This record gives sequence, structure tokens and C-alpha cells, in this order.
Amino acid sequence: DAGVIQSPRHEVTEMGQEVTLRCKPISGHDYLFWYRQTMMRGLELLIYFNNNVPIDDSGMPEDRFSAKMPNASFSTLKIQPSEPRDSAVYFCASSPLSGRALAGELFFGEGSRLTVL
Amino acid sequence: AQKVTQAQTEISVVEKEDVTLDCVYETRDTTYYLFWYKQPPSGELVFLIRRNSFDEQNEISGRYSWNFQKSTSSFNFTITASQVVDSAVYFCALNRYNQGGKLIFGQGTELSVKP
Repeated sequence: DAGVIQSPRHEVTEMGQEVTLRCKPISGHDYLFWYRQTMMRGLELLIYFNNNVPIDDSGMPEDRFSAKMPNASFSTLKIQPSEPRDSAVYFCASSPLSGRALAGELFFGEGSRLTVL
Repeated sequence: AQKVTQAQTEISVVEKEDVTLDCVYETRDTTYYLFWYKQPPSGELVFLIRRNSFDEQNEISGRYSWNFQKSTSSFNFTITASQVVDSAVYFCALNRYNQGGKLIFGQGTELSVKP
């Protein structure tokens, strides 16, 4: 079975440019999470969705960040305009309904490494 | 406030040695969950174990074992007879009851197992 698929794996862009990260969750999973990993702040939750609806976006750093989930098989995380401090690895994770999701058993993608110059 | 501390930033061992990764947590909740995740060089995080606050039984899975002690707020992870494939960054995490995916991670411990 395919795992969580993220694209691009690596992105290098210049400050001020728009960045879009994409995620395809595991089929049948009802929860989708976006996490960010940096050396300074470690792993932190940005936002999560349940059945395509955003549930908690309290971790989204500021208005430059937005996330959407137009259907059960696709989500995007957009940064506009990007800044050097946004450089990080962005992880998407999914989890099946209840049970494992409530239990914190998440299935992570391999991450998108973003570098903003 | 909730917090997870992994004091060991890096550990290096030789293959077949036993190694323990420490995890100390802080929470005022009475019901909570603790986790360990593994991040191999490929980058993704892999779920290893979950423990709820009412279950202090030690867990063993093959070469892996976990020791949960509420009295010391610790949830330590031991790898017995380590192997090169165990080389990875290991994260301990905490979350509140019914906030499944909203994990609070420690800073991680990078384990290097040398042949």
C-alpha cells in the first residue's frame, strides 16, 4: 500500500516567492496533519483536518501560511510570501478515523525540505 | 504547560550494545498519552509505541522495551543488542486525552550504531 506522498521533496526558492507543498494521504484515512520540523523549534503541529474540515489551525505561524483540503485525497500548504525563517522540513501525516487518530498513531510522509534564500 | 525533554542529543554505541534513550515529560493532566517515534535517514517518522497514563506496565517488542514510571514522569526506551539499522533519530512525544494528532515532541535523540 502506498504511504503518505508529499511533493516536492526539496524546494529552493527566493524570499517573497509563493511556495505550495502538496500531500496525498493514505486512502481511507480521515485525519490529515501538517507538521513543521526545524532545528530551533523541533517538530510542531501547524494544522489538522478531519474529513477535509480544518479542526485546529492554532499552530499556523501567521497569515502568510494557509492550508486547504479540497477532497479526501489531497491537501496543500501554501506560504505566500515566503521568508528565510520558513526554511524547514514540512511533514504531512494521516491517520484513520478515531482509534488510531485519537491514539496519536500517525503515518508520516517523507517530508518536503524547504529552503528560502 | 506540557513539555517533553530528551536530554541526550546524541548517543553513539557499537553494535550489540544495549542503549537506553531517556524521556522526561511534564503535564498537569491526569489522562494523557506518551509515544515514541523513529526518524530514519529517509526522513519519515515511524510510530513505535503509545502508552496511556493509566498503564504503567512495561512493554517489550522484540529488541525494544519501554519503561514508564509516573513517579518520575519518565518514559524511557531501551534497545537491546543494538544493530546498525537502529541508527536514527528517536522522538518521545506527549498528548492530552482526545487530542490524538496534536503531539508535543521532544527534541529527539540521534542514535548512531557503529559496526
